[in-house]
Amino acid sequence: GQNIDQPTEMTATEGAIVQINCTYQTSGFNGLFWYQQHAGEAPTFLSYNVLDGLEEKGRFSSFLSRSKGYSYLLLKELQMKDSASYLCAVREGYGGATNKLIFGTGTLLAVQP
Amino acid sequence: KAGVTQTPRYLIKTRGQQVTLSCSPISGHRSVSWYQQTPGQGLQFLFEYFSETQRNKGNFPGRFSGRQFSNSRSEMNVSTLELGDSALYLCASSLRINTEAFFGQGTRLTVV
Repeated sequence: GQNIDQPTEMTATEGAIVQINCTYQTSGFNGLFWYQQHAGEAPTFLSYNVLDGLEEKGRFSSFLSRSKGYSYLLLKELQMKDSASYLCAVREGYGGATNKLIFGTGTLLAVQP
Repeated sequence: KAGVTQTPRYLIKTRGQQVTLSCSPISGHRSVSWYQQTPGQGLQFLFEYFSETQRNKGNFPGRFSGRQFSNSRSEMNVSTLELGDSALYLCASSLRINTEAFFGQGTRLTVV
């Protein structure tokens, strides 16, 4: 089966650090993606992990453990503009045969002053 | 470099009608995927096209169909619209298979 779990909502304070967790159980795995989506806008690509470990990109980092079916997105030095929905998505398939993404329902992050 | 362009941005249709949505991928990208986004179900995969061939299809009824043209532009069609088809329809463009997907702004479809 296919199951991707993330917390529904989170609240954090401007300037702080927040970690958004994602656990997955899918019939295949060929990479995990994080997207940011502001209300009424398109999802924008944040990060991609296919091997275990931490990928860092500016204020954003993403971690993957394939054996545990677990990923997290770490946002540092939070800004008000980081208030958005954060989507975890798994690319299924073996051998890179597809771009099909299975999405979690998203985590709505509210950054407070 | 232009992003993914979806037209129209907004649509209002009546139950029973049909609708065609268009997606122009990023220049040079050959893979296009379509997703439906609703508040209750989140983002759900509809279809995936590469070089004019449908490579994958999600669990949607046959009323949902799509195609891709030789210039990589893609269209999706929904026939016999139902109220539950009201959603944001998103198109994602990828350079090729197994690369990152970049989303368009979406088409907001309202069925009344």
